[in-house]
Amino acid sequence: AQSVTQLDSHVSVSEGTPVLLRCNYSSSYSPSLFWYVQHPNKGLQLLLKYTSAATLVKGINGFEAEFKKSETSFHLTKPSAHMSDAAEYFCVVSDRVDNFNKFYFGSGTKLNVKP
Amino acid sequence: DAGITQSPRHKVTETGTPVTLRCHQTENHRYMYWYRQDPGHGLRLIHYSYGVKDTDKGEVSDGYSVSRSKTEDFLLTLESATSSQTSVYFCAISRDEAYEQYFGPGTRLTVT
Repeated sequence: AQSVTQLDSHVSVSEGTPVLLRCNYSSSYSPSLFWYVQHPNKGLQLLLKYTSAATLVKGINGFEAEFKKSETSFHLTKPSAHMSDAAEYFCVVSDRVDNFNKFYFGSGTKLNVKP
Repeated sequence: DAGITQSPRHKVTETGTPVTLRCHQTENHRYMYWYRQDPGHGLRLIHYSYGVKDTDKGEVSDGYSVSRSKTEDFLLTLESATSSQTSVYFCAISRDEAYEQYFGPGTRLTVT
């Protein structure tokens, strides 16, 4: 069965330090993978996507993620956290089920950025 | 931002009443989706549409129905609202099923 596991429900970092949000997935074939960000009381915004091109994907606001097929991981990183990065982040895998590309959402990681 | 609006943005209703939520897009995308978001569950798909009058069920469709009479509008109806349907509802659109989805601002529904 397809699934997405976000390994940390909460991550806390200091401003200016690196961010690592972990995501592992299971998929029946080569999936598409996404990271979305949700600020409080807002909709989800696409950060970046992997669709079988380069394994290192760069997104908006300095975020990037690396697709590692051998580890079935798609971890999100940023070299230096900013206060405005405080939000909830969702890892999403798109997989084909019953002739339809279904999105599977992780349960989310809340990022706290301390001054 | 993708041109997606949802209405109403907030609603409080009583158990047993029907409720309709509206999603409107200006992007002319073929696919539209309704999700609900609950703490600890991420987003779960309720129904989706792959064209005018073409809809199908998602993983949590019980108690919900949808309609799409125009490309730009996708309606979600709770036939008889229950407290378990208290949630935040998001509409999303995509150009094709394999492409990224773009989300609306959400509707917070409270069923008392």
